[in-house]
Amino acid sequence: AQSVSQHNHHVILSEAASLELGCNYSYGGTVNLFWYVQYPGQHLQLLLKYFSGDPLVKGIKGFEAEFIKSKFSFNLRKPSVQWSDTAEYFCAARMDSSYKLIFGSGTRLLVRP
Amino acid sequence: ETGVTQTPRHLVMGMTNKKSLKCEQHLGHNAMYWYKQSAKKPLELMFVYNFKEQTENNSVPSRFSPECPNSSHLFLHLHTLQPEDSALYLCASSQDRVEITGELFFGEGSRLTVL
Repeated sequence: AQSVSQHNHHVILSEAASLELGCNYSYGGTVNLFWYVQYPGQHLQLLLKYFSGDPLVKGIKGFEAEFIKSKFSFNLRKPSVQWSDTAEYFCAARMDSSYKLIFGSGTRLLVRP
Repeated sequence: ETGVTQTPRHLVMGMTNKKSLKCEQHLGHNAMYWYKQSAKKPLELMFVYNFKEQTENNSVPSRFSPECPNSSHLFLHLHTLQPEDSALYLCASSQDRVEITGELFFGEGSRLTVL
């Protein structure tokens, strides 16, 4: 079955630490990949997306993600986190021609000042 | 401001009640969606409407009944729910079907508690 896995449910970092959140999908065909973020008390919003081309995608607020097809992964990274990055992060995938976005279960990030 | 407004933000209902959730988008989008967000579970797609036509019902129980009178409004009618239906219900919209742009715009959600 098509699925998206986020292995870390909770991550705690200190400010200025580097961040990498894992995301894997299970599908061998064409995929479009997304990271959404939900700040406390706010709505889900798009952080970045990959459709095609350069597998290293840059998003808002200094985030980037790398699509590695051989590993079925789309990990989210940020070299130096800030307290304001405290949020829940969701990886999502659209597989082949489907209009469904399949979401992972989310990773809660807490950044300590 | 997300451009997608959901009301009510919080709802408590008994299992025999009938209530409705409302979603309105001010973005001129053509597709609207209902998602269910439960604790520690992935977001679950419930329904998709494209140009007011339902294009997806993701095996949702009939106690949830969607209605899309126009491209800007989406309702979720609730009837004889179960306690396990307690969750955050998210409405989203997109310019076209998600396979074109990929981006969904979400509302802040309606937190439903079924007693």
